[in-house]
Amino acid sequence: GQQLNQSPQSMFIQEGEDVSMNCTSSSIFNTWLWYKQDPGEGPVLLIALYKAGELTSNGRLTAQFGTTRKDSFLNISASIPSDVGIYFCAGLRNNAGNMLTFGGGTRLMVKP
Amino acid sequence: DSGVTQTPKHLITATGQRVTLRCSPRSGDLSVYWYQQSLDQGLQFLIQYYNGEERAKGNILERFSAQQFPDLHSELNLSSLELGDSALYFCASSPRQGWTGELFFGEGSRLTVL
Repeated sequence: GQQLNQSPQSMFIQEGEDVSMNCTSSSIFNTWLWYKQDPGEGPVLLIALYKAGELTSNGRLTAQFGTTRKDSFLNISASIPSDVGIYFCAGLRNNAGNMLTFGGGTRLMVKP
Repeated sequence: DSGVTQTPKHLITATGQRVTLRCSPRSGDLSVYWYQQSLDQGLQFLIQYYNGEERAKGNILERFSAQQFPDLHSELNLSSLELGDSALYFCASSPRQGWTGELFFGEGSRLTVL
């Protein structure tokens, strides 16, 4: 089936550092989304991208829809302790019904 | 608070047993999705219902079943439980068909099989 390869699997960074993570697939997706899961909670949508090449920001977060439509990127600038959590990319294909495919997640740890 | 309610929050049971997890979607949402998250793993899609009908099936074991009731709440039944079924089970809802990818997740039900 469809797979989204997310990297890195985990990151341990110093507060204030910038963070980059990405998601790649062998399949084309029409929509890319980034979710964050805080410890002990369910994932929450951060950013949604609907067009190839689209660059969208949400505060310190910036995500991009790759031009090949097979990848997406998420950057977090000036990380803070509350950025800790698991970040999931997710892809949606128009001809796959309402099935969202999730990546394996990037676990982010921030050292104050 | 996403508006999606899951019960129970925690459940400990023994191998071979059967459990039922319950989910109430956000008010007005017609679609309900079930996901399994094992330790250090991503979200595995199990099954989706829309307005009472099954719409999509993912990696759901035959020992597992689900349904969505007329009041739109959903239940996930897990039977003949094995140690490997220990996981967080999430329910999520979305407002309509043809939606753009945003799912509203509950806080999950943590199942421990001993």
